[in-house]
Amino acid sequence: GIQVEQSPPDLILQEGANSTLRCNFSDSVNNLQWFHQNPWGQLINLFYIPSGTKQNGRLSATTVATERYSLLYISSSQTTDSGVYFCAPLSGGSYIPTFGRGTSLIVHP
Amino acid sequence: ETGVTQSPTHLIKTRGQQVTLRCSSQSGHNTVSWYQQALGQGPQFIFQYYREEENGRGNFPPRFSGLQFPNYSSELNVNALELDDSALYLCASSSQYEQYFGPGTRLTVT
Repeated sequence: GIQVEQSPPDLILQEGANSTLRCNFSDSVNNLQWFHQNPWGQLINLFYIPSGTKQNGRLSATTVATERYSLLYISSSQTTDSGVYFCAPLSGGSYIPTFGRGTSLIVHP
Repeated sequence: ETGVTQSPTHLIKTRGQQVTLRCSSQSGHNTVSWYQQALGQGPQFIFQYYREEENGRGNFPPRFSGLQFPNYSSELNVNALELDDSALYLCASSSQYEQYFGPGTRLTVT
């Protein structure tokens, strides 16, 4: 199956800093989602982005499917951004996403 | 909020017991997927149901089984619980590719 690598595994920021999270995948994908898992375990949809760039407030994401990677940008980070960020691509004709191990983000005030 | 609900929120069971977890899908969604998330890991796919039929299964033993009902809600059953089954169990509903997750059930096996 598809392999998913996320980097960095851990990230610590001061409030107001910017960051870039990376997701590499081993196979061609037809879709990809980014999620934020809050400290209570809820997975929150951030982006559904098979290709191109999308923006939502302080967050934006870019997927370059031909080069097998996706990036999540967080600008002007806030303490509420803390949690784990997962990317989950879907390969081939599958409707089942494969999750990476995530990037754990801590934002200090 | 996603509109996906799960019950119970927390559960403590003893090794060897059986457990049933429940999930109500978002309105308009006909597909439900179940995941197991151990501490410090990403969610691992257990199985998926589409219109009451199993539509894919991950690398989990047969003691993990499921059902989907005509209203597209779903159950996950785990028999002969083992200590390693302690995890957060997540269900997700979808109508096509994009998945929406419930809040999860945290299962502790002692």
